[in-house]
Amino acid sequence: AQKVTQAQTEISVVEKEDVTLDCVYETRDTTYYLFWYKQPPSGELVFLIRRNSFDEQNEISGRYSWNFQKSTSSFNFTITASQVVDSAVYFCALRIPGSARQLTFGSGTQLTVLP
Amino acid sequence: DTAVSQTPKYLVTQMGNDKSIKCEQNLGHDTMYWYKQDSKKFLKIMFSYNNKELIINETVPNRFSPKSPDKAHLNLHINSLELGDSAVYFCASSQAHSNQPQHFGDGTRLSIL
Repeated sequence: AQKVTQAQTEISVVEKEDVTLDCVYETRDTTYYLFWYKQPPSGELVFLIRRNSFDEQNEISGRYSWNFQKSTSSFNFTITASQVVDSAVYFCALRIPGSARQLTFGSGTQLTVLP
Repeated sequence: DTAVSQTPKYLVTQMGNDKSIKCEQNLGHDTMYWYKQDSKKFLKIMFSYNNKELIINETVPNRFSPKSPDKAHLNLHINSLELGDSAVYFCASSQAHSNQPQHFGDGTRLSIL
């Protein structure tokens, strides 16, 4: 069975601060995919990034960066110079390859960026 | 163009009623899903459907039944609605055997009175 843990339930930061959202996953499969989704107050789920288990390169996209470490089974997400519009619930998720394979979500981290 | 669309966006009904939520995707994906998001924001899979293979989460009551007339549609029918069914239901789609992300609809907020 797979499991994703996001230990931080809520985080509040002041605008322009950097913030890191933690994600720890468990799986016995050697091939898997990791994802981050954003859920803004409007409610939709927005895909942010995908990572394959065999690709440990970190990735940067604008103010967003992701640190994937297989040794610690972690896939952390950092927002640099946070903005009020970053306020949302962020979900980390895991998927195993195969037909009809669903996402296993973490419980989400509510990020509030204060002006 | 909307990739995954769900209707209705809001559904308010009384306990005991039967209701359906429709989902359509125009991405050409072969797999569709229903997720439930509870009041604590926790997202959990309900069903996966791929080429007539239906995978049911064992914790889903049999009052919930997915119907797939074709691979672009996966509707969710709920019988005898209960207070605990109040939640946001998300439809999603993806291509099986692919590492591409699932695309989600905007969700249907179901409120049981």
